[in-house]
Amino acid sequence: SQTIHQWPATLVQPVGSPLSLECTVEGTSNPNLYWYRQAAGRGLQLLFYSVGIGQISSEVPQNLSASRPQDRQFILSSKKLLLSDSGFYLCAWRERPGANVLTFGAGSRLTVL
Amino acid sequence: GQQVMQIPQYQHVQEGEDFTTYCNSSTTLSNIQWYKQRPGGHPVFLIQLVKSGEVKKQKRLTFQFGEAKKNSSLHITATQTTDVGTYFCAGRSANAGKSTFGDGTTLTVKP
Repeated sequence: SQTIHQWPATLVQPVGSPLSLECTVEGTSNPNLYWYRQAAGRGLQLLFYSVGIGQISSEVPQNLSASRPQDRQFILSSKKLLLSDSGFYLCAWRERPGANVLTFGAGSRLTVL
Repeated sequence: GQQVMQIPQYQHVQEGEDFTTYCNSSTTLSNIQWYKQRPGGHPVFLIQLVKSGEVKKQKRLTFQFGEAKKNSSLHITATQTTDVGTYFCAGRSANAGKSTFGDGTTLTVKP
């Protein structure tokens, strides 16, 4: 069966520090991968999605970047965090290209101080 | 671009009361999905609707897709404390490469 792992689960970072969040999917190949951000009490904002290795589409211009170095690995990064980067970051994947249902990871809760 | 609006933003009910959240799209949708996010958790897929006028039930939950495929609703009969959380709809139009999420309706249930 397919599983999705996301880490770290929680982190507190100072303003100006770098960020790296990792997401890996098991039990499938060539998934579509997504990074969402959820501010406290708000909806889901799509940040990046990837349909294959090295292929990244950015939805919102911002302080963040994404990379997909391997088929089942998706990384969210920042060189210098801002206070506004605080939030709940969710990685998700689609069961197969063209499918509609998203499966989310457990999320990474980032607090920037 | 495609917009998906969800109302209400918050709903507080007494246990046993019914609850409904509505989802409206600016464009005709090919399909719509509903997700539930428990407090502190991540969204979990509930159901997908594809056909015009489709109605699906999961125990006390009833999901509807409008005839014009531009709106959808989730109705919970006789809410329980286990129903608390935020309910999201996500719609995808025919020419869109991805789904657009509504902002969610957060349900609280008073025992």
